[in-house]
Amino acid sequence: KNEVEQSPQNLTAQEGEFITINCSYSVGISALHWLQQHPGGGIVSLFMLSSGKKKHGRLIATINIQEKHSSLHITASHPRDSAVYICAVDDNYGQNFVFGPGTRLSVLP
Amino acid sequence: NAGVTQTPKFRVLKTGQSMTLLCAQDMNHEYMYWYRQDPGMGLRLIHYSVGEGTTAKGEVPDGYNVSRLKKQNFLLGLESAAPSQTSVYFCASSYTIQGTPTYNEQFFGPGTRLTVL
Repeated sequence: KNEVEQSPQNLTAQEGEFITINCSYSVGISALHWLQQHPGGGIVSLFMLSSGKKKHGRLIATINIQEKHSSLHITASHPRDSAVYICAVDDNYGQNFVFGPGTRLSVLP
Repeated sequence: NAGVTQTPKFRVLKTGQSMTLLCAQDMNHEYMYWYRQDPGMGLRLIHYSVGEGTTAKGEVPDGYNVSRLKKQNFLLGLESAAPSQTSVYFCASSYTIQGTPTYNEQFFGPGTRLTVL
């Protein structure tokens, strides 16, 4: 059974800071996903990756398959980035997603 | 497109009552899922479906039943609600992005907040 851990649990940053959220998992996967859950509860997909690095705007996601570890970076953070960031692994090609507990990020102006 | 919708948004039940949560998607996705989200824990898979007429158990299926009679709808039933089923329930659907590698991108509904007294 896959176990997904995230660190830190909570993170407070000043606007403009560089932020890193980490995710580790225990068993082989077909893909790793980063999701964002807004204060209102809605969940949106940010990244899907199985190797290397992806970038969307100020967000960068990396994965190291050998080390079973992924990081989500936010450059030049902004208060609108305040949300819960969730790491999820797909370990059976869409038939089993295992989610981490989330990292709650607050970016202060 | 409405995406993934869930009905109702909120519900309060008494112990022992039954109810059905409805999830609908208009994206023609094959896969659909029901999750529950509890404080301090990650989303946990209750049941999922890989196509019309098929369902399978997830990590926490006890006390729940599901049906997928139409491709666009996935119903979650609680036959006899218990306080331990107080949670926020999320439905999701996904499609497979074929290629190397193959990805399944998930789209989530807005959630249903259920309280069982």
